[in-house]
Amino acid sequence: QVQLVQSGAELKKPGASVKVSCKASGYTFTGYYMHWVRQAPGQGLEWMGRIHPNSGVTNYPQKFQGRVTVTRDTSINSAYLELSRLRSDDTAIYYCAREVEATAGRFLDYWGQGTLVTVSS
Amino acid sequence: DIQMTQSPSSLSASVGDRVTITCRASQSIASYLTWYQQKPGKAPKSLIYAASSLQSGVPSRFSGGGSGTDFTLTISSLQPEDFATYYCQQSYSTPRTFGQGTKVEIK
Repeated sequence: QVQLVQSGAELKKPGASVKVSCKASGYTFTGYYMHWVRQAPGQGLEWMGRIHPNSGVTNYPQKFQGRVTVTRDTSINSAYLELSRLRSDDTAIYYCAREVEATAGRFLDYWGQGTLVTVSS
Repeated sequence: DIQMTQSPSSLSASVGDRVTITCRASQSIASYLTWYQQKPGKAPKSLIYAASSLQSGVPSRFSGGGSGTDFTLTISSLQPEDFATYYCQQSYSTPRTFGQGTKVEIK
């Protein structure tokens, strides 16, 4: 069965960087885009970027350009989100999610359990 | 970027009620619209994709409609387990964008 298992909670100081991992199993890792979505406490969902594990091609929203990097290691079926120059408003739960292409649509069908990143001095 | 606007932002309803949530895109997204359900402390779960296709395992009381810029999610008879927050998302282009969410609460 498809599983996405993320790394554990992180506590970081403002200005630092954080790297969250997402290990995939149960499917062909290189066949599906992997997306990252975050959710600040009590807030909605915010898309942070995606990678195609086969090609390594990435897309990011303008808001995070220069501060977010999504990478992958196909030898261990893992994707990574790195966010630099952390601020207090980066405190959030970070999710990885697989995107599937279905007939006439594409959507995030499997999600990781989420990783809480807390930014505090 | 494509803006997604949901309404209402919250609603109170009773078990058995019919509930409709709307989502409007700032430009046409054809049928590239997904609805997610999220319960507290859990990751979102996909309910409807391609605007009107029911994801495997999702009860048939959930249905989706619309195309272009206007979409709806309908729950035909609200059940206790349906109290949650619902989000729409467009997958027409990057950056992917979500609606702000609709919280469905017990009346």
